[in-house]
Amino acid sequence: QSALTQPRSVSGSPGQSVTISCTGTNSNIGLYNYVSWYQQHPGKAPKLIIYDVTKRPSGVPPRFSGSKSGTTASLTISGLHAEDEADYYCCSFAGHDIHWVFGTGTQVVVL
Amino acid sequence: EMQLVESGGGLVQPGGSLKLSCAASGFGFSGSLIHWVRQASGKGLEWVGRIEVLANSFETAYAASVKGRFTISRDDSKNMAYLQMNSLKADDTAVYYCTRHRVVSGLQYGMDVWGQGTAVTVSS
Repeated sequence: QSALTQPRSVSGSPGQSVTISCTGTNSNIGLYNYVSWYQQHPGKAPKLIIYDVTKRPSGVPPRFSGSKSGTTASLTISGLHAEDEADYYCCSFAGHDIHWVFGTGTQVVVL
Repeated sequence: EMQLVESGGGLVQPGGSLKLSCAASGFGFSGSLIHWVRQASGKGLEWVGRIEVLANSFETAYAASVKGRFTISRDDSKNMAYLQMNSLKADDTAVYYCTRHRVVSGLQYGMDVWGQGTAVTVSS
């Protein structure tokens, strides 16, 4: 199973909004609402920031939001903070043969 | 504080074996769904496999890239999960993370607890 496709990098100035796309297929994102997003700072473990497409775990700022349309999921950061500079990965359930698949990862750069 | 701590990484020759451990604390480990995820240096996350408890038995699943070579197990009495890696290849070189996938009453809440990772290098 190929990884989900994400842009290599997105950038924005503090206060601006950025959106990261995560493109899959009708076998993963298009079929299941088990899309999650993870933030990873250099040298650190990933951190869950969105699950079930749109839900935020306790403690995650509301500027992070998720959505899905067809086979593409998206993560929006509304009002960039300097500390949002990190790598972001989407992840989707892909059925009982493939199970779970991550995205290729997107580096968010805060200008 | 909920915590996962991996150990057992190191340098191993191609074709060799290594067993990673994942120690859980701060949450009800028994019955939890545990994944192993790896990340090669400078690369993205790759799902390796998972173990969950279903009807008093353990069920495992693996990525195609490791199926038949890697085995996930657990000892709920010790709050431990394991990743036995055999027939290791250079492509298996990565940091290996264990992570809890929170599931409550059939509802999924994502991979919400991660360890710090343990590095595995496969090289002669």
